[in-house]
Amino acid sequence: KAGVTQTPRYLIKTRGQQVTLSCSPISGHRSVSWYQQTPGQGLQFLFEYFSETQRNKGNFPGRFSGRQFSNSRSEMNVSTLELGDSALYLCASSLYGAEQYFGPGTRLTVT
Amino acid sequence: GIQVEQSPPDLILQEGANSTLRCNFSDSVNNLQWFHQNPWGQLINLFYIPSGTKQNGRLSATTVATERYSLLYISSSQTTDSGVYFCAVEQSGGYQKVTFGTGTKLQVIP
Repeated sequence: KAGVTQTPRYLIKTRGQQVTLSCSPISGHRSVSWYQQTPGQGLQFLFEYFSETQRNKGNFPGRFSGRQFSNSRSEMNVSTLELGDSALYLCASSLYGAEQYFGPGTRLTVT
Repeated sequence: GIQVEQSPPDLILQEGANSTLRCNFSDSVNNLQWFHQNPWGQLINLFYIPSGTKQNGRLSATTVATERYSLLYISSSQTTDSGVYFCAVEQSGGYQKVTFGTGTKLQVIP
């Protein structure tokens, strides 16, 4: 079974721009979660989607948003990028939200 | 929200040595996982262990949910064990929100 895939793997953006990251979960998994990892804040939960519905959201500003499609693929969007948004963004999939499997991540650099 | 603390924060081991990593959490949890993050950032599943004991080769883990802690044992460490180890918990109450610990950075030297 193929693992979780994330695209793109690396991204460089300028302050004020917006970015969209994509995550394809393991086949059959219906839950997708997103995390931000930075050296200063560690791994922080962004949001979780299950069957196209956002079930929970972390403490991030409204500039961070996401969605899930009927095939369980998910996207997250960050608008009006700030330097502090530079991070490794990780996506995880699970069957119902329990045991999670992570993708390789997207490393975003904001200049 | 739930607090998750890991100890020690840093650990240097000689190849072949054994170690114990600890994860304490401040509230009841539905789920607990241990991960190893490699130098490229990939989080690799080690154990899904909300309670009890599991073993996988040189690694084993024990979670005592009633006392709110989990332990990860690494025996006969190898240089490939180097990296950061995280525990992650989902708080009880149907939150579906996972909280990661701060991690233990392990360096195994030959």
